[in-house]
Amino acid sequence: AQSVTQPDIHITVSEGASLELRCNYSYGATPYLFWYVQSPGQGLQLLLKYFSGDTLVQGIKGFEAEFKRSQSSFNLRKPSVHWSDAAEYFCAVGDYGQNFVFGPGTRLSVLP
Amino acid sequence: DAMVIQNPRYQVTQFGKPVTLSCSQTLNHNVMYWYQQKSSQAPKLLFHYYDKDFNNEADTPDNFQSRRPNTSFCFLDIRSPGLGDAAMYLCATSRDRSGGAETQYFGPGTRLLVL
Repeated sequence: AQSVTQPDIHITVSEGASLELRCNYSYGATPYLFWYVQSPGQGLQLLLKYFSGDTLVQGIKGFEAEFKRSQSSFNLRKPSVHWSDAAEYFCAVGDYGQNFVFGPGTRLSVLP
Repeated sequence: DAMVIQNPRYQVTQFGKPVTLSCSQTLNHNVMYWYQQKSSQAPKLLFHYYDKDFNNEADTPDNFQSRRPNTSFCFLDIRSPGLGDAAMYLCATSRDRSGGAETQYFGPGTRLLVL
């Protein structure tokens, strides 16, 4: 069965600092990988996804993620965080015929 | 803009009083999903429709039902809400029935409060 871990429950960074959110998955093959962001009281918005090809994926709002097969990881990065990036971030994995499996989420706080 | 719409955004109901949440989409997607999300937790899939084909998750309580009268609309019915059903309910859509190989597009959610 697939599983997703996001080791950091809560991360605090200063505005303008760089950010990396970790995501590790357990799956027999290469899954489809997603990052979603959820602002307080809102639905989930897709930041980026990896299906195949280039392992460095660019997304919206200046985010990128890198798929590393050897580490079973799909970490999300942003070079300079803005106060509006404060939100909950969910990594998800999926495959044909299988439902999404979401990680537990990482809450990002941004200090002014 | 094509989108997923959920109404109402906030719903207050009484313990045991049936409640219906609605979702509509202008994406013309074949699949519609309902998730339950409790505070500080990941979304949990309740069920999904592929066209008119209903797929219930094994651990979804019988208290939760769904209807999809047409491609655009999907409803979540909670027959007898309990205090434990207070949560955010998220509707999502995907183009086709490839499961987790398809991007899911989420609505803004309906927050349900049970008094």
